[in-house]
Amino acid sequence: DAMVIQNPRYQVTQFGKPVTLSCSQTLNHNVMYWYQQKSSQAPKLLFHYYDKDFNNEADTPDNFQSRRPNTSFCFLDIRSPGLGDAAMYLCATSIGGGYGYTFGSGTRLTVV
Amino acid sequence: GDSVTQMEGPVTLSEEAFLTINCTYTATGYPSLFWYVQYPGEGLQLLLKATKADDKGSNKGFEATYRKETTSFHLEKGSVQVSDSAVYFCALSQGGSEKLVFGKGTKLTVNP
Repeated sequence: DAMVIQNPRYQVTQFGKPVTLSCSQTLNHNVMYWYQQKSSQAPKLLFHYYDKDFNNEADTPDNFQSRRPNTSFCFLDIRSPGLGDAAMYLCATSIGGGYGYTFGSGTRLTVV
Repeated sequence: GDSVTQMEGPVTLSEEAFLTINCTYTATGYPSLFWYVQYPGEGLQLLLKATKADDKGSNKGFEATYRKETTSFHLEKGSVQVSDSAVYFCALSQGGSEKLVFGKGTKLTVNP
């Protein structure tokens, strides 16, 4: 089935050690998003790509970066994870214009 | 800016009880409205949606009607089951914007 796939489901990283989370899609959607969701909170948009155009939210820390090498894949890089970055990271796609959102199952990041 | 307000949780019900989760929104123009469900440890799943005033979204026994006059999109189910225990998020998107704006979420627990 067409879907949004996030790997891994669970990621443990050390304080300060760079980590990369992966997202792939088979929907051929134009837009890919990364959300951060901390416990008992709503998802918070970090950034999104419309095709190759990168759009950063104003309050997204510089510690978070993203890459989209092609339509199917998008990566979230955390350069120096802190304890406060422990969260569920959700990837989503859409066809654009505010329509057709599809979410992946998420990657739960633990920082030790 | 656009915003979504949901009733505070948690909500605890007995099986077969009637469910209402209130959601109101503030937005310019005519947003699309969504309910997402998040089961423990999982990503977000689209439960239902409505794209214009007076539309009713429905899925799995859940319903919500887009009420422009009251700027509301309340979620209802006539008879909840234990398997409905999850966190429910109301959200909106605007045509032409790539952002999905979430409410804070309402945790529902259904006891047998």
